[in-house]
Amino acid sequence: EVQVVESGGGLVQPGGSLRLSCAASGFTVSSNYMSWVRQAPGKGLEWVSVIYSNGGTYYADSVKGRFTISRDNSKNTLYLQMNSLRAEDTAVYYCARVPVWELFFDYWGQGTLVTVSS
Amino acid sequence: QTVVTQEPSFSVSPGGTVTLTCGLSSGSVSISSYPSWYQQTPGQAPRTLIYTTNTRSSGVPDRFSGSILGNKAALTITGAQADDESDYYCVLYMGGGINWVFGGGTKLTVL
Repeated sequence: EVQVVESGGGLVQPGGSLRLSCAASGFTVSSNYMSWVRQAPGKGLEWVSVIYSNGGTYYADSVKGRFTISRDNSKNTLYLQMNSLRAEDTAVYYCARVPVWELFFDYWGQGTLVTVSS
Repeated sequence: QTVVTQEPSFSVSPGGTVTLTCGLSSGSVSISSYPSWYQQTPGQAPRTLIYTTNTRSSGVPDRFSGSILGNKAALTITGAQADDESDYYCVLYMGGGINWVFGGGTKLTVL
């Protein structure tokens, strides 16, 4: 069974850092595209970042230079390192699989809440 | 800046048919945008409904269908049911460094 499970969310002060993890099972992370999507409280979905199977990475303008997406193939896990956090980064962060060349999000985790506040 | 547009809200009667649309602030949506649609209820993760314009995800009832109507992507629900009351999001693949852009979502009420 394909599953992705996020962890690592929590309360952090503005300017702080946090690393989110997304443990995958039932498929190989490195053979797919993997993405992060977030949703601020009461707001819509926002694409954040993607790592392609060839290792290429892309980011939304809102997080470029502050967030870094990566993966550990030995652990079959995706990560999102978030630095210089701002109040507007407060959101539920979802990990999602993107089947290669299909370019949509087929499996989603349950999400992990990040709250940036002093 | 690329903006994907959706109706903020829509209402449909039980058993009725509704078409939600997904457009671009400038330009047309085509199959090369790989439009996909997601359903979300409060407190839950999104559920994939439709991908690559008109392919239903596994387990999605055939009363959900996707298409291109004019210059927009469209999600049609035929024979709406009470549990279709949800938020619906479309997303377009823009390519290059932009990658994906979500629409603002449509809140569908069934009453």
